[in-house]
Amino acid sequence: SAVISQKPSRDICQRGTSLTIQCQVDSQVTMMFWYRQQPGQSLTLIATANQGSEATYESGFVIDKFPISRPNLTFSTLTVSNMSPEDSSIYLCSVSQNREPYEQYFGPGTRLTVT
Amino acid sequence: GQNIDQPTEMTATEGAIVQINCTYQTSGFNGLFWYQQHAGEAPTFLSYNVLDGLEEKGRFSSFLSRSKGYSYLLLKELQMKDSASYLCAVMDSNYQLIWGAGTKLIIKP
Repeated sequence: SAVISQKPSRDICQRGTSLTIQCQVDSQVTMMFWYRQQPGQSLTLIATANQGSEATYESGFVIDKFPISRPNLTFSTLTVSNMSPEDSSIYLCSVSQNREPYEQYFGPGTRLTVT
Repeated sequence: GQNIDQPTEMTATEGAIVQINCTYQTSGFNGLFWYQQHAGEAPTFLSYNVLDGLEEKGRFSSFLSRSKGYSYLLLKELQMKDSASYLCAVMDSNYQLIWGAGTKLIIKP
């Protein structure tokens, strides 16, 4: 399994500002994903980060609010733009090799609080 | 629509056995996953079932019945460290993971 790190691990941000979260993997991976998890709730997929092309966003998430970069097979960033208190959540990066059994491995997460 | 159901919370005793059920309705099926998530931590992969039957991995076993849209995770010889949330997820025909809300397992001494 891959070793995944995320930075920052947590942050407290003011309303209206933006935060960029980094996800670094210790080996090349095919697929990278960004999730959001509210306390006590399950995972919600924000988007699939595609290397060399625009990310694929899920319903309810848009590029202007959550721009994503993936410049290579080991690194991705998620920006949470123009933040509001509703964006307070844990943001998780996960990776997969896109072959059976397709299991995903998760980074430690970024705990974001917007005041 | 796509749906995964699992109990919200379960309580069990240290040393005992517990079964966490998961039922699903998805657009296609390419496998079912169980993840464990301790409070404040990221989910960790436990098991994968794509064919009917039981997969055993140490104290944990996972069962799948595709015709019934049903799976369970069986935890034996429960330890206090097994207190966590257990997430069921199904990969649909587009190879997208559909996540259940998770079952919070509380282990009592």
